[in-house]
Amino acid sequence: NAGVTQTPKFRILKIGQSMTLQCTQDMNHNYMYWYRQDPGMGLKLIYYSVGAGITDKGEVPNGYNVSRSTTEDFPLRLELAAPSQTSVYFCASSYAQTGQSGNTIYFGEGSWLTVV
Amino acid sequence: AQSVTQLGSHVSVSEGALVLLRCNYSSSVPPYLFWYVQYPNQGLQLLLKYTSAATLVKGINGFEAEFKKSETSFHLTKPSAHMSDAAEYFCAVSGNTNAGKSTFGDGTMLTVKP
Repeated sequence: NAGVTQTPKFRILKIGQSMTLQCTQDMNHNYMYWYRQDPGMGLKLIYYSVGAGITDKGEVPNGYNVSRSTTEDFPLRLELAAPSQTSVYFCASSYAQTGQSGNTIYFGEGSWLTVV
Repeated sequence: AQSVTQLGSHVSVSEGALVLLRCNYSSSVPPYLFWYVQYPNQGLQLLLKYTSAATLVKGINGFEAEFKKSETSFHLTKPSAHMSDAAEYFCAVSGNTNAGKSTFGDGTMLTVKP
């Protein structure tokens, strides 16, 4: 099983450029997430989605946008890249029935982004 | 509101020694608690989770964790460390009112010395 697949794995951007990190999952999960991981800082939630057509902000949404047009795909858009967005980005997904929690999160392998 | 504190950003043990990684949580609702492991240049993967059943939870690779409500703790242990256990470990908490979102600790890097 492919699980959660994200691309690209590595990217260097210039300040002010835009790009989209692609994420797709084949597990029919309803929840999808984007996290960023900075050294020694753990994971911070950028955006999440509880189903197609529904997205919401996490802890650190500024400078990013998302969309969820299908169950499988959850792209993350960086507009006007800044050095502060240099980080490792993880897409993730999980399945939960309405009102339930405790669901395991499945992660992609990460995308290393450098803004110079 | 929920939060996780992992005590010690780096832990070093000798091969064969006990591994103890500490995690304390805060949650306004009954928590679900997780330990994830991240090997270099990879995403996180689940080691084990507590979901209000048995307080002692056994996971993969010989790890286990005990939920102690009175201490708001969920420490991760393994009786005998192996070189392959070297990785970063994350504790996470979620509750039943937050759309399945988990809050992660800052991680503990485990080094295993030969």
